[in-house]
Amino acid sequence: IVMTQSPATLSVSPGERATLSCRASQSVSSNLAWYQQKPGQAPRLLIYGASTRATGIPARFSGSGSGTEFTLTISSLQSEDFAVYYCQQFNNWPPLIFGGGTKVEIK
Amino acid sequence: QLQLVESGGGVVQPGGSLRLSCVASGFTLSNYGMHWVRQAPGKGLEWVAFILYDGSNKYYADSVKGRFTITRDNSKNTLSLQMNSLRGEDTAVYYCVRDQNYRNVWPKNFDYWGQGILVSVSS
Repeated sequence: IVMTQSPATLSVSPGERATLSCRASQSVSSNLAWYQQKPGQAPRLLIYGASTRATGIPARFSGSGSGTEFTLTISSLQSEDFAVYYCQQFNNWPPLIFGGGTKVEIK
Repeated sequence: QLQLVESGGGVVQPGGSLRLSCVASGFTLSNYGMHWVRQAPGKGLEWVAFILYDGSNKYYADSVKGRFTITRDNSKNTLSLQMNSLRGEDTAVYYCVRDQNYRNVWPKNFDYWGQGILVSVSS
């Protein structure tokens, strides 16, 4: 399975909405997670099961999709949300494949 | 407070060996599958290996199969990664990661991550 994230870089102003895409080369059902990684830090689980927020994740983060097309939406970007976001599939393994990442930067 | 703390990283020559350890605290290690994930400098995340909660099965990325061995000692709350025949492309930060699934053979999500440890393979 190949996981393709787009765009590679997303320039967004604080307060705006960000929409990140993740596409699987074959169906992964809803077995998909999203992670956020800030510079110098370990990744953090944001979303699992394609749409369930992990513990402590703000409601401005939402996930949707199933099969091969998935979206992570950040409804109103805060300064702490500028980071790299990765998707990962858990349906067909091994291996457990990550997407290449989308960097959300300040516009 | 749940914690995963890696150790054992450093600089090693190509062809050499290194053993990473991860000490878990704040939860019962024997109830969870565990992974190693790595990240080369400036690159994305790469899953390396997975071991079931009871150590009964292990899985590896093709890039490390036959060279790396994942083990666990639940009595000592410790996860390990023995890395042999190291190559330049193994240079990365290695993360010890807990799988969210409780006593299950199917991985679910990576819900807790260690801070990472740097392994540098260079002559």
